[in-house]
Amino acid sequence: GAVVSQHPSRVICKSGTSVKIECRSLDFQATTMFWYRQFPKQSLMLMATSNEGSKATYEQGVEKDKFLINHASLTLSTLTVTSAHPEDSSFYICSARAQPGGTDNEKLFFGSGTQLSVL
Amino acid sequence: RKEVEQDPGPFNVPEGATVAFNCTYSNSASQSFFWYRQDCRKEPKLLMSVYSSGNEDGRFTAQLNRASQYISLLIRDSKLSDSATYLCVVNTLNDYKLSFGAGTTVTVRA
Repeated sequence: GAVVSQHPSRVICKSGTSVKIECRSLDFQATTMFWYRQFPKQSLMLMATSNEGSKATYEQGVEKDKFLINHASLTLSTLTVTSAHPEDSSFYICSARAQPGGTDNEKLFFGSGTQLSVL
Repeated sequence: RKEVEQDPGPFNVPEGATVAFNCTYSNSASQSFFWYRQDCRKEPKLLMSVYSSGNEDGRFTAQLNRASQYISLLIRDSKLSDSATYLCVVNTLNDYKLSFGAGTTVTVRA
């Protein structure tokens, strides 16, 4: 099946630094990618939806200037956590939706997640 | 009220037992329903879609009750490898913006 590569898998950084997380669809083109955040023992919460070549759509309560999303191509979306603080420590995970048609017709595939720890 | 609510468990069952749990959703316009499995600090993996008439995939049976707005998952003949958190997932607008439950933890013991 299709593969979504997300890295890094784990990041430990100092408060105030920025962290970039990459999400790549390896063998399919993704029209839409989604970014989620998951705190321990809680559900995945959708942060934003990114469409290739256009601005991301952020969910209510998610600061677009803090969580910068770039979706410059059909195979790559990045999430940058700017000026990270300890409360941003969480598990971040992306998912990608395959284009219509083909064996993966509009299916969703998840990256393996990034555990961010801000000291 | 949360869009999707699940009993967090944990459900501790012996190998070979049957375990079942439900999930309720708040939006009656919800269109698609799924069960995902998530192992600790890993990505969710699709276990099965849930169809209106109910469906079975090996030892797993899913049911949908639209009138009462809940879905269920039943695992028969539990294996140690079934130990995981099971996420109830609902898609309301069919735009792939999925709403996740917080998960039900199942632990199968030898």
